[in-house]
Amino acid sequence: DQQVKQNSPSLSVQEGRISILNCDYTNSMFDYFLWYKKYPAEGPTFLISISSIKDKNEDGRFTVFLNKSAKHLSLHIVPSQPGDSAVYFCAARPNFGNEKLTFGTGTRLTIIP
Amino acid sequence: NAGVTQTPKFRVLKTGQSMTLLCAQDMNHEYMYWYRQDPGMGLRLIHYSVGEGTTAKGEVPDGYNVSRLKKQNFLLGLESAAPSQTSVYFCASSYASSGANVLTFGAGSRLTVL
Repeated sequence: DQQVKQNSPSLSVQEGRISILNCDYTNSMFDYFLWYKKYPAEGPTFLISISSIKDKNEDGRFTVFLNKSAKHLSLHIVPSQPGDSAVYFCAARPNFGNEKLTFGTGTRLTIIP
Repeated sequence: NAGVTQTPKFRVLKTGQSMTLLCAQDMNHEYMYWYRQDPGMGLRLIHYSVGEGTTAKGEVPDGYNVSRLKKQNFLLGLESAAPSQTSVYFCASSYASSGANVLTFGAGSRLTVL
């Protein structure tokens, strides 16, 4: 029962273009959504988050969009840079229970120079 | 500031052997977690702790035990290793707060069970 789904295992994008990573969820109790980035042989690092009361959150080149009715969120990276090549995990948790963070399976993003 | 440190980084075990993974954090975080990462499965929560002396089961706790005797340390034990426990294990910690509750992860421990 995968409550957080990232249906694209991999994505390749030309440097300078926009990268769009998608994430779908099934649990309507999820209240916070986070994106983590992971380089090989390192632990995941926090990238950006969004609360369910918002539909957009922006931080520099990174923007996360949330569509609650569709239970869908996306991460936009503009412009894409070679250093953005990594695995990106979407994660979600309900408002209660800080420990209940559920991760998606990840999308490997490759930026082509 | 080291953040979250995991030891060892690599380990090879034979089926039936036991071992302990150590996680240490220096950020005074209340919450600590153990995840495993497997291909196509993402990160799955094994056990977690909401404070010193407490532990609780996560999504995939079978075959593992944990202890949190000190606030800064969280140990993950395998009493009798099985090939299905071959994985990369990540420890994480966070503040006990509402909101996004951002986790800080260690670099991971790669375990192979033959």
